Amino acid sequence: DGGITQSPKYLFRKEGQNVTLSCEQNLNHDAMYWYRQDPGQGLRLIYYSQIVNDFQKGDIAEGYSVSREKKESFPLTVTSAQKNPTAFYLCASRPPTGALTTGELFFGEGSRLTVL
Amino acid sequence: GQNIDQPTEMTATEGAIVQINCTYQTSGFNGLFWYQQHAGEAPTFLSYNVLDGLEEKGRFSSFLSRSKGYSYLLLKELQMKDSASYLCAVRSSNSGNTPLVFGKGTRLSVIA
Repeated sequence: DGGITQSPKYLFRKEGQNVTLSCEQNLNHDAMYWYRQDPGQGLRLIYYSQIVNDFQKGDIAEGYSVSREKKESFPLTVTSAQKNPTAFYLCASRPPTGALTTGELFFGEGSRLTVL
Repeated sequence: GQNIDQPTEMTATEGAIVQINCTYQTSGFNGLFWYQQHAGEAPTFLSYNVLDGLEEKGRFSSFLSRSKGYSYLLLKELQMKDSASYLCAVRSSNSGNTPLVFGKGTRLSVIA
């Protein structure tokens, strides 16, 4: 089945450690996104990529890094520079917009990161 | 700047109708989306409006007024499983790849 797979679902990290969250999609979508969600908050954009080997910063990119070496994969690294990394991280992809598509986002199941 | 406002919490009774409002102020507009998110899960797409008017999809309807920067999501015949957060999101530019800007979500509790 086509979809977006995020791993791990739960992750614990000690302060000062970098951690990488995986996001893989087999939907053949060009555009991919990373959002962060805190309790009682909406989704805030960290990074997005419109095509392989290209990505742009979102509203809260500080302390994060990404790569887009393959169309299917858009991993997010949470670095030690991120002051408050404990959050729920959501990866999404989007089909090309067109007359017959709304261009809605397809989300993965999310990764919950807890810093101890 | 971009701003999307929706109520933080709402409570409604099983079998009733509830309307969740969303107002937005963005630099441009190219579509408004509603998503449903159950606790600890990913958001799922509910509806899309780009022209003024009402879009109906089963028990769920969504309305848009671009001149007022206003939308609402209407849920009819409420069921307990409708207890979730409802997220309003706007695409602010004509570029299809422009990321969506999300509101903080409205947590709906359906009670018996």
